[in-house]
Amino acid sequence: AQRVTQPEKLLSVFKGAPVELKCNYSYSGSPELFWYVQYSRQRLQLLLRHISRESIKGFTADLNKGETSFHLKKPFAQEEDSAMYYCAPFYGNNRLAFGKGNQVVVIP
Amino acid sequence: GAGVSQSPSNKVTEKGKDVELRCDPISGHTALYWYRQSLGQGLEFLIYFQGNSAPDKSGLPSDRFSAERTGGSVSTLTIQRTQQEDSAVYLCASSSLGGSSYNEQFFGPGTRLTVL
Repeated sequence: AQRVTQPEKLLSVFKGAPVELKCNYSYSGSPELFWYVQYSRQRLQLLLRHISRESIKGFTADLNKGETSFHLKKPFAQEEDSAMYYCAPFYGNNRLAFGKGNQVVVIP
Repeated sequence: GAGVSQSPSNKVTEKGKDVELRCDPISGHTALYWYRQSLGQGLEFLIYFQGNSAPDKSGLPSDRFSAERTGGSVSTLTIQRTQQEDSAVYLCASSSLGGSSYNEQFFGPGTRLTVL
């Protein structure tokens, strides 16, 4: 089974503090890993993908194949980072396997 | 250009009624996906269309759910004899290609279905 675990449903952080969203996935081959974000009243959109190794909006994510983890991090949270974040592996079977998501609230 | 559009944006129906949800993908995108976003459940895959190939229906939760894609463009998701547990946001996405290789999926705004 393709399982994605995002343990914290709700994460509240103060502005300027670091934020880390944990994601663990089940190992079935070598999935591509993505983080998607949904801001309030906006569409779900791609935040970053591990293969590109980019930093988007200050976020980075490190793929650890040994631990099957793909945690999302940002050193200094901003108010505009308040959103719902989904970890989503792609196992090559026509669909993204989304986790249950993390609601991030950045406190001013 | 225009993104993925979905209609209606909200739908309230009574238990037992049938509903149809519509998705207009980005022009030229051959792959189309339906997902369901339920409270506390994250996003679940429902069905995938790629060009003229037979759809991947492996995510449909019951035979009350069906979908079609006409002319390789617009798709309709139909739920028959709706139940309260069908209440969710139904998301449509499209991508330029699909299958075993990932191509970025672009999501629509969703249809919020409430079954009373």
